Amino acid sequence: GAVVSQHPSRVICKSGTSVKIECRSLDFQATTMFWYRQFPKKSLMLMATSNEGSKATYEQGVEKDKFLINHASLTLSTLTVTSAHPEDSSFYICSARPTSRITYEQYFGPGTRLTVT
Amino acid sequence: GQSLEQPSEVTAVEGAIVQINCTYQTSGFYGLSWYQQHDGGAPTFLSYNALDGLEETGRFSSFLSRSDSYGYLLLQELQMKDSASYFCAVWSGGSYIPTFGRGTSLIVHP
Repeated sequence: GAVVSQHPSRVICKSGTSVKIECRSLDFQATTMFWYRQFPKKSLMLMATSNEGSKATYEQGVEKDKFLINHASLTLSTLTVTSAHPEDSSFYICSARPTSRITYEQYFGPGTRLTVT
Repeated sequence: GQSLEQPSEVTAVEGAIVQINCTYQTSGFYGLSWYQQHDGGAPTFLSYNALDGLEETGRFSSFLSRSDSYGYLLLQELQMKDSASYFCAVWSGGSYIPTFGRGTSLIVHP
C-alpha cells in the first residue's frame, strides 16, 4: 500500500513551452501533497505544499506564476512548469501525506526528470 | 532558521557496520526522520524518532539525542544494495513539513 505515482517519468521540452507533471496517490487519499526539486547530488528542496481544494503554499523564492500547482482531488496534484527555460531542468519529486495517518508519514513518487532544451 | 549537517560521503565494505550522523539546529523540534534514495529513484522512509534513544528496524537502527541536537542512522551487515544516499530530515515548528539535510552518499564495496 501507500503508492504514489508520477507522470511522466521523463520529459524533454523546448524552451518557452509548458510542461505538466501529475502526482497521484494510488491507494490512499491525500489532503496534502508536496512538490520538491532536486539537483544532482543535492538535497530535496521543497517548492510548495499543495492542499486539496485550496491554493498551494509556496516556499520563499519559488515563483508561483511559473510553477502552477493544482490539487483538484484527494488523489491528484499537478505541477505545471510554465514558459520553461533550461535552468528549470531538474528532478521534480512529489510526495503525499495520507489524510488519515500520522503527520510525519509521507510517501514519495518516483520523480520526473525534466530537461529543457 | 533551520540547518542540518551530515557527512557528504561514507564508504564501507560489505558486511560491515556504518553510522551516518546528523546534527541539527532548529526551534520547536519534534522529530527526526531518515530516508534512503537510490540514484534516479524516489526517497523511501526508513525511520522516525521523536524521543531520545535507539529505534531498531531490522538491519537499520536510528538514534536521537534531543539534548545534543544529534541523531544517527546505523546500518548493520551492509549489503551492496545499501549503496544509496541517506537523508536526515527534521520536523519542527508545528508545520508538519520536514526540512531535509544535504544527504550522505553511502558507497559499499565488496
